[in-house]
Amino acid sequence: GAVVSQHPSRVICKSGTSVKIECRSLDFQATTMFWYRQFPKQSLMLMATSNEGSKATYEQGVEKDKFLINHASLTLSTLTVTSAHPEDSSFYICSARDRGSYYNEQFFGPGTRLTVL
Amino acid sequence: GEDVEQSLFLSVREGDSSVINCTYTDSSSTYLYWYKQEPGAGLQLLTYIFSNMDMKQDQRLTVLLNKKDKHLSLRIADTQTGDSAIYFCAEKVGGGSQGNLIFGKGTKLSVKP
Repeated sequence: GAVVSQHPSRVICKSGTSVKIECRSLDFQATTMFWYRQFPKQSLMLMATSNEGSKATYEQGVEKDKFLINHASLTLSTLTVTSAHPEDSSFYICSARDRGSYYNEQFFGPGTRLTVL
Repeated sequence: GEDVEQSLFLSVREGDSSVINCTYTDSSSTYLYWYKQEPGAGLQLLTYIFSNMDMKQDQRLTVLLNKKDKHLSLRIADTQTGDSAIYFCAEKVGGGSQGNLIFGKGTKLSVKP
């Protein structure tokens, strides 16, 4: 079945540094990938939609210069949190839409726990 | 705007049926989904239903859709301790191959032995 991986699963970094999170679709092609943020005991908040070969579309209130998204291939999207601060600590989840799927369902990665000290 | 509402908690005994309810606002939703999230993990797609259906059954899972009332439910038969998780209802807004998912806040299901 459709599998989406994320790397790393956990990362701890110092304030002011940048962190890159990778999202890969392992057995299907994903023209569209999504990045979500989830706060404790809360739902997923869509941050941006990433289309292969084009610029990402950011949701209102999400700083595009802070959360850099690159979708260079049909199986890989990256999210870079630049100049991270403690308030960026969160659970980041990506999902990928299977281009070949009739129902256009999204498959989710296992998430990346980011802790900024 | 679009909104998806769920009750936050549900507690059942092992072996009983669980029913998780969800309401949504966008009448143009084409697909509605149920996802399961275990602690510290991503979301697992459990099942989905197309908006022109009113019921879908998949082993222990039954999804009921009342499009008139914009009400979706997920019934888990013979609930097991391994079913303890947070269940998210989601609607797809936007048509075709595009469109985003709008999630509810999730229902935490606790299964007591």
